[in-house]
Amino acid sequence: KNEVEQSPQNLTAQEGEFITINCSYSVGISALHWLQQHPGGGIVSLFMLSSGKKKHGRLIATINIQEKHSSLHITASHPRDSAVYICAVDRTSGSRLTFGEGTQLTVNP
Amino acid sequence: DAGITQSPRHKVTETGTPVTLRCHQTENHRYMYWYRQDPGHGLRLIHYSYGVKDTDKGEVSDGYSVSRSKTEDFLLTLESATSSQTSVYFCAISGGRTEAFFGQGTRLTVV
Repeated sequence: KNEVEQSPQNLTAQEGEFITINCSYSVGISALHWLQQHPGGGIVSLFMLSSGKKKHGRLIATINIQEKHSSLHITASHPRDSAVYICAVDRTSGSRLTFGEGTQLTVNP
Repeated sequence: DAGITQSPRHKVTETGTPVTLRCHQTENHRYMYWYRQDPGHGLRLIHYSYGVKDTDKGEVSDGYSVSRSKTEDFLLTLESATSSQTSVYFCAISGGRTEAFFGQGTRLTVV
């Protein structure tokens, strides 16, 4: 079982839809990161969370430390949001960054 | 943009040759990582460093070695490249409990 699991693996939405991507982890963490990777592109950090909720534009990230779960929400989705979204955890012991396998999001116009 | 650069960005090499990839940062972050990204596998940790001369293995370290003689540089060496090491390699940096930053990636092809 992976220490960081994301769901769904693939997601297709219509422009304007509300999107949720989930991340569950099984290790102790000091922080959780949400990352974005466009096709052929580099990896960009969207959020770093250690508790609660953060919002940036149409993106919202939440984390529940007790339940070891985080969600990334995209409101009013747009085709330019099409990318791979990756959850990564900053472990409290051992190697620091451990990644989920990513969620491929496709938003159709 | 965070100060992290990888070199080279693209490389084609022959099986059996040694290859070194370089990651350079100007952020003075403690942690540096090398990952490889392959279809169907996501990002997998090769090696990481938690300080100068302090390194440890990740989940796919066989066939790779690393060195960190200065805070700003983390080198990844493929001792004898194989076709299975054809991949995209990413370097990342973090300060622990800080935002993580990634290099632009190195596309390595072993023929």
